[in-house]
Amino acid sequence: GENVEQHPSTLSVQEGDSAVIKCTYSDSASNYFPWYKQELGKGPQLIIDIRSNVGEKKDQRIAVTLNKTAKHFSLHITETQPEDSAVYFCAAADSWGKLQFGAGTQVVVTP
Amino acid sequence: DARVTQTPRHKVTEMGQEVTMRCQPILGHNTVFWYRQTMMQGLELLAYFRNRAPLDDSGMPKDRFSAEMPDATLATLKIQPSEPRDSAVYFCASGLGPRGGEQFFGPGTRLTVL
Repeated sequence: GENVEQHPSTLSVQEGDSAVIKCTYSDSASNYFPWYKQELGKGPQLIIDIRSNVGEKKDQRIAVTLNKTAKHFSLHITETQPEDSAVYFCAAADSWGKLQFGAGTQVVVTP
Repeated sequence: DARVTQTPRHKVTEMGQEVTMRCQPILGHNTVFWYRQTMMQGLELLAYFRNRAPLDDSGMPKDRFSAEMPDATLATLKIQPSEPRDSAVYFCASGLGPRGGEQFFGPGTRLTVL
C-alpha cells in the first residue's frame, strides 16, 4: 500500500519568512495530493491540492509543487503570519480516493 | 455554509460501555470516511462508504467496531465494548469520491474511555 513520509516534524519560522514542508510517497499510481491544516481542537481543513497532471499550483501565499518522477511534493507558505501556526498534513490518494496521510508538521510562526 | 457535522463532540465513558458516534455528511456527497487520530498513530482510515455501501473497513477492529450508513444523511460508528486504547479523536469526512478527490472533515468526536 501507499506510504507517505513528511518532513520536518516541527518547523519554527519568523513572521514574514517562508516555510517549506516536503513529502514523499511510494505508490506511483497515486494521483491526488491534498494538504490539510489542523488547528488545535479542530478537524483538518483542506487548504490546497494538486493532481498528477499538474506540476505546480498556487493560491495566494500558499503553493504546492509535485514531482511525479521523484514521487515527492512540497508545500510552500510565503510571508508567514502568526495565524499560519498549526499542524500541516500532506496526503496521497489512490485511484479509489483513499487518502494516506503523512505524520504531520507542527509549524510555529513567531512574531 | 455546507459542512460535515459530528455528534457528540466529546464523550467520556467507562471501559465496556457501548459508544456511538454520528456524522452528517455534506449534502450531495456520496463518499463518507471514518478516521481515528492519535498522537502515536496519526490519522488512520478506519472505514469508508460510497453511495452508502461499505467499500473498505480493513482499518477497523472488526470484533468491536462497526460502521453503518442508515441513510444518505447519517453515518454511524459504534464501539462495543469500548476499551481504554480506543481513546482518540474520531473524524468523519465526506467527499465526491475519486471523481472529486477532495475530502472535507468534521470537527471530530473526542473519546475518552476510562
